[in-house]
Amino acid sequence: DTAVSQTPKYLVTQMGNDKSIKCEQNLGHDTMYWYKQDSKKFLKIMFSYNNKELIINETVPNRFSPKSPDKAHLNLHINSLELGDSAVYFCASSQAVGSEKLFFGSGTQLSVL
Amino acid sequence: GQSLEQPSEVTAVEGAIVQINCTYQTSGFYGLSWYQQHDGGAPTFLSYNGLDGLEETGRFSSFLSRSDSYGYLLLQELQMKDSASYFCAVRGAGGFKTIFGAGTRLFVKA
Repeated sequence: DTAVSQTPKYLVTQMGNDKSIKCEQNLGHDTMYWYKQDSKKFLKIMFSYNNKELIINETVPNRFSPKSPDKAHLNLHINSLELGDSAVYFCASSQAVGSEKLFFGSGTQLSVL
Repeated sequence: GQSLEQPSEVTAVEGAIVQINCTYQTSGFYGLSWYQQHDGGAPTFLSYNGLDGLEETGRFSSFLSRSDSYGYLLLQELQMKDSASYFCAVRGAGGFKTIFGAGTRLFVKA
């Protein structure tokens, strides 16, 4: 059983489209995150949810809208995709807000053409 | 704010020992972590130091000196499979978020 699973693994789309990435964790963790990894491998936090409540929003454009229907799921919807959105998006979870150990999903490679 | 510095690349030979350094600046410190990421893979947790000193996990050890805002990851008996990127990370914002360094690409040669 995959601990943190995200779909799809690859997403190729045109500029201006809207797309979603889904994430689920079966670890019973309270906290989930979205990270963006650019072409230089820099990992930047975007959002964090704790028990379905947004606790971190790192000045991400409002074209990005996370949604957490329950604490095991955290989805990311992106409107009006731009070329600069091309990156690998990682979902992660941790036991609690202050936990030092993050568990990452396998990533979604988004390519905007 | 928070910032972390680590070397961009390190090359070593199989069987050798390599040390990857990390210096950090953070307002509020809640510990230093290390993650490994193979090409095309996800970051995976390696170790955590909340207090000064050395933590050992098999071939990997991690060290922290809070007074120097410095830590390192030590990899012993290097294997080809250790070729990967290694990220140091600190928790900021009251411990609520994990901030990553830019990563060190380790190349292990035969």
